[in-house]
Amino acid sequence: EIVLTQSPGTLSLSPGERATLSCRASQSGSSNYLAWYQQKPGQAPRLLIYGASNRATGIPDRFSGSGSGTDFTLTISRLEPEDFAVYYCQQYGSSLWTFGQGTKVEIK
Amino acid sequence: EVQLVESGGGLVQPGGSLRLSCVGSGFIFNADWISWVRQTPGKGLEWVANIKQSGSEKYYVDAVKGRFTVSRDNAKNSVYLQLNSLRAADTAIYYCVRLKWFAFETWGQGTMVTVSS
Repeated sequence: EIVLTQSPGTLSLSPGERATLSCRASQSGSSNYLAWYQQKPGQAPRLLIYGASNRATGIPDRFSGSGSGTDFTLTISRLEPEDFAVYYCQQYGSSLWTFGQGTKVEIK
Repeated sequence: EVQLVESGGGLVQPGGSLRLSCVGSGFIFNADWISWVRQTPGKGLEWVANIKQSGSEKYYVDAVKGRFTVSRDNAKNSVYLQLNSLRAADTAIYYCVRLKWFAFETWGQGTMVTVSS
């Protein structure tokens, strides 16, 4: 089973700043099947990025994903007020899907 | 609009059973894998089960194997999750999700399952 470790646990930033979130896998999954989600309080998660770097439908281009193998990054180029939320990474491998524990992006 | 709506959650005693339902709309239901994902305050998000378009393939996380069963009825645009031998650790919000590109693309609003005596 792939274990995903996200860092940092909490990121305190101001609107307009750049956010860099990390997701490290314990082993390489299947062909970069790495996704990122955003979750706001009381809401279901929302898919942002799939296949490590592909934006899902309707996701603004300030969100970008990169990485391969075991190290992946979600970057939010300029934080908007609506971007303050919890972000999860998720990977597929060997017919199993696993999530990271999440990174909270909070207003500084 | 693509939509998934879950129902069937509630309060159940340890060892009890529950059947969750999920109805999809706004997309070709029998063209997609459907998953169940749960979320607890303590453990975060956890993938639970997947079912293939035809229902011929199913996958489960180890924690629920032998206790949970996923099924679907494409004529009713519905997927079901039968939860048996429930434990306190199964307490969570259960989401029905459309699986695309090996990612969880569209999520329902979730249904809460509470296992407690």
